[in-house]
Amino acid sequence: EADIYQTPRYLVIGTGKKITLECSQTMGHDKMYWYQQDPGMELHLIHYSYGVNSTEKGDLSSESTVSRIRTEHFPLTLESARPSHTSQYLCASSELAPNVHTQYFGPGTRLTVL
Amino acid sequence: KQEVTQIPAALSVPEGENLVLNCSFTDSAIYNLQWFRQDPGKGLTSLLLIQSSQREQTSGRLNASLDKSSGRSTLYIAASQPGDSATYLCAVDPREAGTALIFGKGTTLSVSS
Repeated sequence: EADIYQTPRYLVIGTGKKITLECSQTMGHDKMYWYQQDPGMELHLIHYSYGVNSTEKGDLSSESTVSRIRTEHFPLTLESARPSHTSQYLCASSELAPNVHTQYFGPGTRLTVL
Repeated sequence: KQEVTQIPAALSVPEGENLVLNCSFTDSAIYNLQWFRQDPGKGLTSLLLIQSSQREQTSGRLNASLDKSSGRSTLYIAASQPGDSATYLCAVDPREAGTALIFGKGTTLSVSS
C-alpha cells in the first residue's frame, strides 16, 4: 500500500544530542518536504527536495539539515538539539507536476528537547 | 508575499448543522488551493484540491469553492457529524518556483452530539 511513514512518532531528548528524524514514502514521488508546526500555528516549510541529490532550504530558517540519497527516503538531522527545536515535524511528498498535485503527509514526529 | 488567513479560528456546532469555513489569500497568482484535515497530534489528510481554473470541487458532504479574483475560498460541510471534529487547514500553491504550499493557521471545528 502506497504511504508515507515517519519515525519516531514521539521523541524526548536532552539538549546537545544529535537526532535524525526519518521519512520514507512508497509512492515514487519526486518531491519531498519537511514542515515545522508549533501548536495552533501554521505549517512552515523548512526543507524540500525535487529528487535524488536535490535539497533546498525553505521559507523558515532552520538549523537542521537534510539529505536525499534515495527517492523514497528524506531524513532530517539536528546536529545539536536545543529546547527551541521543540515542535512537530511533518514530512510530505508529491509528484513533480504543479497545478494538479496534492501533497501527502506523514503522521508527524513530535519532538521535545529538554 | 503570499499570506493565507482562515476565519473563524474555532467553531462549535451541534450535530446536523451545515457550516462554512473561510479562507482568504493575498496574491491571486496561484496554481491551486487545497483543503486539509488535521486530527490532534496527527498529520494532514488532503480533502479537496481546486485547480486555479476551477470554481469548485465536491467530495461527499464537502464542497469547496474558489474565487481567485477576490482571493477567497470556502469549505462547506453539510450535515455535520461528531467525526468531523478536527482542524481544517487551507493552503495555496504559489506559482513561484522553489516554494511549497503556504498554509493558514486553520479552523478548529468541534461538532457536539
